Amino acid sequence: EVQLVESGGGLVKPGGSLRLSCAASGFSFTNAWMSWVRQAPGKGLEWVGHIKSKTDGGTTDYAAPVKGRFTISRDDSKNTLYLQMNSLKTEDTAVYYCTTAPYYYDSSAYPNEYFQNWGQGTLVTVSS
Amino acid sequence: SYELTQPPSVSVSPGQTARITCSGDALPKKYAYWYQQKSGQAPVLVIYEDSKRPSGIPERFSGSSSGTMATLTISGAHVEDEADYFCYSTDSSANHRVFGGGTKLTVL
Repeated sequence: EVQLVESGGGLVKPGGSLRLSCAASGFSFTNAWMSWVRQAPGKGLEWVGHIKSKTDGGTTDYAAPVKGRFTISRDDSKNTLYLQMNSLKTEDTAVYYCTTAPYYYDSSAYPNEYFQNWGQGTLVTVSS
Repeated sequence: SYELTQPPSVSVSPGQTARITCSGDALPKKYAYWYQQKSGQAPVLVIYEDSKRPSGIPERFSGSSSGTMATLTISGAHVEDEADYFCYSTDSSANHRVFGGGTKLTVL
């Protein structure tokens, strides 16, 4: 059974930093692309970013609102995904979900991915 | 930027068929995916690649796509199907990953 368990959320002041972790089990984490998706209170879902498997280059991509402030990384030896969040803003307040991200290639310029398995989420509150 | 449009709410009585739509310009070329989110819980994938159902999802959930509109159908809705439903897809280049605004399904 796939399990994704996020941790590290909490209250942080604007301009501060926080690192989220996601412990994965029940599947081949090493070969998986992984994504973070967030949901502001009472709002919809928003893709944050992803990291490819190391065999696919291990590269990352981010949504425009977080590019340059957030960094996704992975430790395959620990089956753990990370989200380092710097220069946090009040609008970053959300529940952050870790997901598996199956993908395929077609004629598009970028790989097509979706979000298959989700963790329970961890709440990040940015407030003074 | 790319957008997917869903109705804010749909309401049916138990046993009726609920249909939730999702419109987007790239849907003729890109798959639609559907997620169910019950109150206070994480989203769950209920339909992938327009019409495929993951294991464990009841057969009453089905999906279809035609032109610029994808549809999630719940045949014989149960009270426990009450939830927010989000569609997901990408723009034609797959660069922008977008969720619809969500549809609140009420079953009563």
